[in-house]
Amino acid sequence: ETGVTQSPTHLIKTRGQQVTLRCSSQSGHNTVSWYQQALGQGPQFIFQYYREEENGRGNFPPRFSGLQFPNYSSELNVNALELDDSALYLCASSLPLGQGVHEQYFGPGTRLTVT
Amino acid sequence: DAKTTQPTSMDCAEGRAANLPCNHSTISGNEYVYWYRQIHSQGPQYIIHGLKNNETNEMASLIITEDRKSSTLILPHATLRDTAVYYCIARPLPNFGNEKLTFGTGTRLTIIP
Repeated sequence: ETGVTQSPTHLIKTRGQQVTLRCSSQSGHNTVSWYQQALGQGPQFIFQYYREEENGRGNFPPRFSGLQFPNYSSELNVNALELDDSALYLCASSLPLGQGVHEQYFGPGTRLTVT
Repeated sequence: DAKTTQPTSMDCAEGRAANLPCNHSTISGNEYVYWYRQIHSQGPQYIIHGLKNNETNEMASLIITEDRKSSTLILPHATLRDTAVYYCIARPLPNFGNEKLTFGTGTRLTIIP
């Protein structure tokens, strides 16, 4: 069983550009969540996807958007990048409710730097 | 989700028990206490969760006070690999559309050789 994987590992973008981050969920997991973690802070919830639909969103503007695909992999898109978007972006997946201990499995993250 | 309060940092000697406290005085009846940890340069990792009874698994024990206003995570024999930031989270059991975890700043635990 493979864990949650994310790509790329690191990324440098310029202010105003757009970025796409990718996540492959753990096998059998149908819910994926995205978090932003600024330096020295805990992760902040961006949104989650369940069965390919956004199903819960944190306090992030619409320029943060996402997709979930039929194989439960996911993308996080950020438009019009700002300097404050520099952070570690974490993806987490979880089993359908009722299957096993309901925890979230996190990937290693993508470190985004906006200059 | 109820607010949780944790000490900013703690040290523990290798081989000793590490006891990490968490205050959640406004926790509601349907909220569980979850613990995650984040080792440097990795994503958070689930440790344990509980409602009101003490819980134990292969990683740790969770002691919740009878009034549920506070809890303690216990790592029975800390190793250097347990050096990490530990997050205490109070939240309802997840259901469809409610997977959100609300992280604070956590406790930075350093295991001293």
